Amino acid sequence: GEDVEQSLFLSVREGDSSVINCTYTDSSSTYLYWYKQEPGAGLQLLTYIFSNMDMKQDQRLTVLLNKKDKHLSLRIADTQTGDSAIYFCAPQGKQAGTALIFGKGTTLSVSS
Amino acid sequence: GAVVSQHPSWVICKSGTSVKIECRSLDFQATTMFWYRQFPKQSLMLMATSNEGSKATYEQGVEKDKFLINHASLTLSTLTVTSAHPEDSSFYICSARDPGTSGSYEQYFGPGTRLTVT
Repeated sequence: GEDVEQSLFLSVREGDSSVINCTYTDSSSTYLYWYKQEPGAGLQLLTYIFSNMDMKQDQRLTVLLNKKDKHLSLRIADTQTGDSAIYFCAPQGKQAGTALIFGKGTTLSVSS
Repeated sequence: GAVVSQHPSWVICKSGTSVKIECRSLDFQATTMFWYRQFPKQSLMLMATSNEGSKATYEQGVEKDKFLINHASLTLSTLTVTSAHPEDSSFYICSARDPGTSGSYEQYFGPGTRLTVT
């Protein structure tokens, strides 16, 4: 089955860029998602990238996909204290309706 | 984006009782919904896939007689934790895919239900 790895913690200063990395094993992943979870809350879809893309930018968020290395990253520009949360990488399988497989999540801590 | 709701958001029950959690897609029809559980400071673990009008598909290690799933309509799936025990205390999250979003496999998550079994 799919295995997703993320570093557990990242600490940055307000205004800096944050880069959260993820590696996965299933090369057939069609869509790859990034979710944000604040304490005690559900998951908020941040962005996603289709597997035939290398990069996707959405305001402060930039997703890079290296399909050959099965590496996905999320860059948050001008990180704010409100960005402090857990970020989950979640590739999805090839078939429509396939559940997402989540990494353990990266806890981003932003200090002012 | 599409909205998924869950009810209740928080429930405390006594050991041995059953608890039902509802997951609703509010502005779209979902033929497939997913149930996850999350322990504190851990990732989401897929429990089962709920299919409208048919039996749920459970992941390995998940007891289907303990976690009853019913997907009676295109907008509602329910998860019933039967004879709950303290080790069932967890954060239960559902998700649903919006098939109406063309070409997209976006999945939307409910806000979660915190279950505490005393």
